[in-house]
Amino acid sequence: DSGVTQTPKHLITATGQRVTLRCSPRSGDLSVYWYQQSLDQGLQFLIQYYNGEERAKGNILERFSAQQFPDLHSELNLSSLELGDSALYFCASSVSGRGPDTQYFGPGTRLTVL
Amino acid sequence: AQTVTQSQPEMSVQEAETVTLSCTYDTSESDYYLFWYKQPPSRQMILVIRQEAYKQQNATENRFSVNFQKAAKSFSLKISDSQLGDAAMYFCAYRSGPNFGNEKLTFGTGTRLTIIP
Repeated sequence: DSGVTQTPKHLITATGQRVTLRCSPRSGDLSVYWYQQSLDQGLQFLIQYYNGEERAKGNILERFSAQQFPDLHSELNLSSLELGDSALYFCASSVSGRGPDTQYFGPGTRLTVL
Repeated sequence: AQTVTQSQPEMSVQEAETVTLSCTYDTSESDYYLFWYKQPPSRQMILVIRQEAYKQQNATENRFSVNFQKAAKSFSLKISDSQLGDAAMYFCAYRSGPNFGNEKLTFGTGTRLTIIP
């Protein structure tokens, strides 16, 4: 158990819908990262938050957005869902994001768009 | 942009034997970190081992060790005394040095490791 929690574990929804994925980092970790794992794109970095502020953006679609709240949990919002958005979405956390910080991954949320 | 290449989509090894998984990367940076993550059928991403580029000594964690060749931009993972529980997808990952804002992990495409009893 990495100490990072993600809810829900599974999500099945229809095209055009909007969903919210939630992540609670390990106790004491200030940085949260979101990654998408799909069959055709592999593991890709989406976005990073540090202590409530957006720190880095990767290949995140405009239909996707995220935020980190004062209690440090984070949410990833996916809207106008398409079939291609079906993937495993991971949240990871690290202490600060500096130096040789290790990112610890949550169990992931499997999103299926029908 | 950095890229990570894992040229072995699948590998298999006899239980108790040793296997080496390959990883190469491309970067113009001199300071960075390299990781091996394991993803078993449960899909959980588990850190196996980490290497700081400024360290010449190869990292070791129990049965897992790396062969880090900085000049060749190579970072292979050696698993000794392979066990059934080692069966998983293994991902090599790169992270830029300690400049704040470059903490994202860039992953290779993975190597699926099968352990033969």
